[in-house]
Amino acid sequence: GENVEQHPSTLSVQEGDSAVIKCTYSDSASNYFPWYKQELGKRPQLIIDIRSNVGEKKDQRIAVTLNKTAKHFSLHITETQPEDSAVYFCAAAIPWYSSASKIIFGSGTRLSIRP
Amino acid sequence: DTAVSQTPKYLVTQMGNDKSIKCEQNLGHDTMYWYKQDSKKFLKIMFSYNNKELIINETVPNRFSPKSPDKAHLNLHINSLELGDSAVYFCASSLDRGPGELFFGEGSRLTVL
Repeated sequence: GENVEQHPSTLSVQEGDSAVIKCTYSDSASNYFPWYKQELGKRPQLIIDIRSNVGEKKDQRIAVTLNKTAKHFSLHITETQPEDSAVYFCAAAIPWYSSASKIIFGSGTRLSIRP
Repeated sequence: DTAVSQTPKYLVTQMGNDKSIKCEQNLGHDTMYWYKQDSKKFLKIMFSYNNKELIINETVPNRFSPKSPDKAHLNLHINSLELGDSAVYFCASSLDRGPGELFFGEGSRLTVL
């Protein structure tokens, strides 16, 4: 089945700097890669996702890149702000028509923004 | 209006007891899930239902039994609770089998003493 590894587990950056979180996946059939943000005591919420037919997607200060050959994908947050402090999860999923279709999460990265 | 709602938010109970968590979504989605988040924040899928049909059943002890009376509701019943069952249980829904965006409930924090 799919396995998703995420690094680093904790990340501290100065406000205004950039943060990068990296993930790798194991199943080449995976075609959907979402990123979720979970603030302390809250539910995980989708912040951006990418499908395997594109290599990069951007939404304001957040961008995700995907390298299908290497089975890597990354989250980039620019001009970080205090409200970016949270746990971020990457995930990968196989198409629904596969009997193994499900969204598998990485282990999370706790991002802290230093003032 | 809350899109995905779970009750109760907090559950504190003794080992050996039986407890249930209820989940409802008003998004008109076809697929619902239970995820378990342990103390290290790992989010692990447990079950998924699509239009009341069980489509994902991970390696979960059979003390855990999900039930979907209709596509808007997914409940989780846990028998003979153990200390290791302590976690936050998240219900989620998605438009269809997807994969696509998961809409999570607020979570139910279960503490087994």
